[in-house]
Amino acid sequence: DSGVTQTPKHLITATGQRVTLRCSPRSGDLSVYWYQQSLDQGLQFLIQYYNGEERAKGNILERFSAQQFPDLHSELNLSSLELGDSALYFCASSSWTGLNYGYTFGSGTRLTVV
Amino acid sequence: AQSVTQPDIHITVSEGASLELRCNYSYGATPYLFWYVQSPGQGLQLLLKYFSGDTLVQGIKGFEAEFKRSQSSFNLRKPSVHWSDAAEYFCAVDQGAQKLVFGQGTRLTINP
Repeated sequence: DSGVTQTPKHLITATGQRVTLRCSPRSGDLSVYWYQQSLDQGLQFLIQYYNGEERAKGNILERFSAQQFPDLHSELNLSSLELGDSALYFCASSSWTGLNYGYTFGSGTRLTVV
Repeated sequence: AQSVTQPDIHITVSEGASLELRCNYSYGATPYLFWYVQSPGQGLQLLLKYFSGDTLVQGIKGFEAEFKRSQSSFNLRKPSVHWSDAAEYFCAVDQGAQKLVFGQGTRLTINP
């Protein structure tokens, strides 16, 4: 257990639908990152939040949005889903002090759009 | 633009043989460097990281990596692989904006 929790582990939904992926960071970590892993694009950075505020944006589609709540958990919302959105979505949190310096990833949510 | 290159998409080695996975990066300053491993259907597990200091870094599962500034490389090595090392390996660079840029990954297959 990495300490970063993602739910659900698997999600199957139809095109045009909307889903929400949830991430709880490691205790004490203020930053949350979202990544998408697909066969054709590899691991792509989507967005970063730090203590509730958006800090950096990557290759995130306009149909996708995220937020980080006061308890530091984060949600990634994917809407108007297309077949090409099928991917593994990872959340990571980071710490820049102590021995755990760096990034820790959750086990991911596998999204299948049918 | 920041980039990470893993030249080998797929590598096959025999169990007990040595392993070297290549990683090259492009970045102006000395980056923070990482190697992650992903088993089928699993998440990303950190093998090792380099921030500064000794350029030879020891990680988990018997892996090590060497940072070579002159070659902009951070190659991953293991003296003797085990069947359980079969997985996908990703090199990643923190470009200073505190986000990771990943290479395309190298899939490792182990022959018995």
